[in-house]
Amino acid sequence: LAKTTQPISMDSYEGQEVNITCSHNNIATNDYITWYQQFPSQGPRFIIQGYKTKVTNEVASLFIPADRKSSTLSLPRVSLSDTAVYYCLVGSDTGRRALTFGSGTRLQVQP
Amino acid sequence: DAGVIQSPRHEVTEMGQEVTLRCKPISGHDYLFWYRQTMMRGLELLIYFNNNVPIDDSGMPEDRFSAKMPNASFSTLKIQPSEPRDSAVYFCASSLASLNSYEQYFGPGTRLTVT
Repeated sequence: LAKTTQPISMDSYEGQEVNITCSHNNIATNDYITWYQQFPSQGPRFIIQGYKTKVTNEVASLFIPADRKSSTLSLPRVSLSDTAVYYCLVGSDTGRRALTFGSGTRLQVQP
Repeated sequence: DAGVIQSPRHEVTEMGQEVTLRCKPISGHDYLFWYRQTMMRGLELLIYFNNNVPIDDSGMPEDRFSAKMPNASFSTLKIQPSEPRDSAVYFCASSLASLNSYEQYFGPGTRLTVT
């Protein structure tokens, strides 16, 4: 799986938009980009997945530039409940379905 | 759906004892994963199954760890004998082959403490 690099931590305030960028310079042609969220004392939760350009769902947006060497998870108008660790993962759908988690980005939302 | 169910939620045991963690995946899901999370090592994949067959157990730390999936609705992770370094939160997750490749549903975890 391609190695990913993301900030260790970020701080924000309620109501702000938060963008977390993940670098994956060695992404392969078949690789997808997936983001998970983990609250304290809970298992990770799937947020969004994409291959190129932009993907949006009810929780977040995922922006992927043309070269796909990075991606940005965008959380609109965060609230205190968005305080969590966010993981960026890269992998291909070539049979191995297992996830390899990095250290993630710890997002702290302040009132 | 109740989601992925794990039991027990907390387990405290003494070194040398056998520990069995249990998991019930979401009905209809054909992949089941066992992960372990610690502060030092983060979230690690231990083993995963497809249609009840173990596919990749390269993450299992050593022979003290074993996992089984006797049917589509039940899996166990056993540690025998347990050691203090096995203390961690163990997560079970399941997924469906037809979903997005990496969309997995995690259970609430079992917090294991070995004294």
